[in-house]
Amino acid sequence: RKEVEQDPGPFNVPEGATVAFNCTYSNSASQSFFWYRQDCRKEPKLLMSVYSSGNEDGRFTAQLNRASQYISLLIRDSKLSDSATYLCVVTNYGQNFVFGPGTRLSVLP
Amino acid sequence: NAGVTQTPKFRILKIGQSMTLQCAQDMNHNYMYWYRQDPGMGLKLIYYSVGAGITDKGEVPNGYNVSRSTTEDFPLRLELAAPSQTSVYFCASSYSTGSPGNTIYFGEGSWLTVV
Repeated sequence: RKEVEQDPGPFNVPEGATVAFNCTYSNSASQSFFWYRQDCRKEPKLLMSVYSSGNEDGRFTAQLNRASQYISLLIRDSKLSDSATYLCVVTNYGQNFVFGPGTRLSVLP
Repeated sequence: NAGVTQTPKFRILKIGQSMTLQCAQDMNHNYMYWYRQDPGMGLKLIYYSVGAGITDKGEVPNGYNVSRSTTEDFPLRLELAAPSQTSVYFCASSYSTGSPGNTIYFGEGSWLTVV
């Protein structure tokens, strides 16, 4: 089993739709969780950290379920500019960042 | 606001040639990393360093070497380039790992083609 798994997609959604991505991780000792965004031919960039109580940043909501070892990202009112690959990232103290393979999102006009 | 700076951005190498990808960060981060990303695939860790003078292998180190003589610089050396090393290379850095405040920052990438 891979350390971090994601549905590869692609998710093709119309503008204005709500879309959710899930990510599962295998190391129960993992401490920190993030969502990164990677545009085509660009470097990954931090979208948001994921906190235990869940957190929201505008149209984006991240949730963490430690018992089931999964993380989710919800995007509301999708924009064309949200089209990208979304990477789930997990780490622990003294351990490297582990990146999921990414979920590709295409928002269609 | 330089962050992580990589050079060169694009390079074409002939089989058997060698080259060094340069990486520098100005955020006083302890940890630095080199990843490669093949088309349509995820990131693979080549080498990483937790501080000056300390380096360690990632999951795909063969064909590469690194050094970390200063906190700021982490060059990646390709010896005897092979077509399988055609990829995008990302350098990254972080202050530490394991807390939400310690995120990883990437350079803009170096596109390498071996022909």
